[in-house]
Amino acid sequence: EDQVTQSPEALRLQEGESSSLNCSYTVSGLRGLFWYRQDPGKGPEFLFTLYSAGEEKEKERLKATLTKKESFLHITAPKPEDSATYLCAVQAQGGSEKLVFGKGTKLTVNP
Amino acid sequence: ETGVTQTPRHLVMGMTNKKSLKCEQHLGHNAMYWYKQSAKKPLELMFVYNFKEQTENNSVPSRFSPECPNSSHLFLHLHTLQPEDSALYLCASSQGGQDQPQHFGDGTRLSIL
Repeated sequence: EDQVTQSPEALRLQEGESSSLNCSYTVSGLRGLFWYRQDPGKGPEFLFTLYSAGEEKEKERLKATLTKKESFLHITAPKPEDSATYLCAVQAQGGSEKLVFGKGTKLTVNP
Repeated sequence: ETGVTQTPRHLVMGMTNKKSLKCEQHLGHNAMYWYKQSAKKPLELMFVYNFKEQTENNSVPSRFSPECPNSSHLFLHLHTLQPEDSALYLCASSQGGQDQPQHFGDGTRLSIL
């Protein structure tokens, strides 16, 4: 069964304090790994898709990387507006469009 | 309107009521999805529609009945729900097929009394 585990569950940072969020996955052939950001009272907002080990993608202060077993979301010099829950999801090969999500990491950035 | 819009944003209903959730996408996508998000649990896929045809049903109880009249609109008809059905119901759309990112609406917060 495909599975996604995110750690830590919650993370508090000071503004400017860089850190990383982890997404470990087991899947029967990875088609894609997706990162989303979810603000309170809102739906998830798409950030990145990664397809193969070694791939990296960047957007402003966020950088996502992928290995064969996990993905990291690196946050460089975060700002309070980066506070949100970050969700990771995997899609398996085989034709299904199903995304299997982790429970997310709730990030709080204090000014 | 842009993106994916869901109505109502909040819904309170009794276990014997019948209600419907509505989703509309303005992105020109071909696929639409229903997800359930419960507290302390990951998002769970419920249904997938491609070009109005249901292509995936993730073992959802029959008290949830989806309807997709066209590629822009998706409904979730609810009847005889249980307290454990209280959750945030999210609609998403995509270009369809694997690899395509799914874009979400802001959800309907459903409370069952």
